[in-house]
Amino acid sequence: KNQVEQSPQSLIILEGKNCTLQCNYTVSPFSNLRWYKQDTGRGPVSLTIMTFSENTKSNGRYTATLDADTKQSSLHITASQLSDSASYICVVSASSNTGKLIFGQGTTLQVKP
Amino acid sequence: DTGVSQDPRHKITKRGQNVTFRCDPISEHNRLYWYRQTLGQGPEFLTYFQNEAQLEKSRLLSDRFSAERPKGSFSTLEIQRTEQGDSAMYLCASSAPGTGSTEAFFGQGTRLTVV
Repeated sequence: KNQVEQSPQSLIILEGKNCTLQCNYTVSPFSNLRWYKQDTGRGPVSLTIMTFSENTKSNGRYTATLDADTKQSSLHITASQLSDSASYICVVSASSNTGKLIFGQGTTLQVKP
Repeated sequence: DTGVSQDPRHKITKRGQNVTFRCDPISEHNRLYWYRQTLGQGPEFLTYFQNEAQLEKSRLLSDRFSAERPKGSFSTLEIQRTEQGDSAMYLCASSAPGTGSTEAFFGQGTRLTVV
């Protein structure tokens, strides 16, 4: 069964600190892995997309890594800001044709002042 | 604003009623997806359109659910005889032609509450 598992389920950090979110997947065949940020009550917004051959990709203070051999990914957030408080969802595409996405359950991040 | 719009943003309905949601994707996007998200969970795939053709449906899409994309532009998702378990956020996403690695843009969602 295609699955995407994320840890931790929730995380609280102080403003200015760094954090790392984890994602393990068993999706096959693998097309690409994405990280989305979802604010409460809003739709997800894409942060990064990585294909099989990419090990790391950055978007500002967000850096995603991918190890396709171990089927693991991480999202590192540097110098956190209050606006980073949101749910971060790891998403894997199982098909190179349809682009259908399989979502993890998300990590809820709360940044406190 | 991602360019994908959904209407309505919120819908409260009584159990047993029918509801219809609309999604307007980014104009040049030929791929359109519907997802359902319950509280504390990630979105789950419901169905996928390429232009006007519905190419894939999840088993989550019971007989009470139907989706259309009549002219390959906007799409509607109808739920008949709503049940309390249908209460969720319904998300629409679209992506441009190309491989499955093209970015998917999500709308703000329609939050359905069945009372």
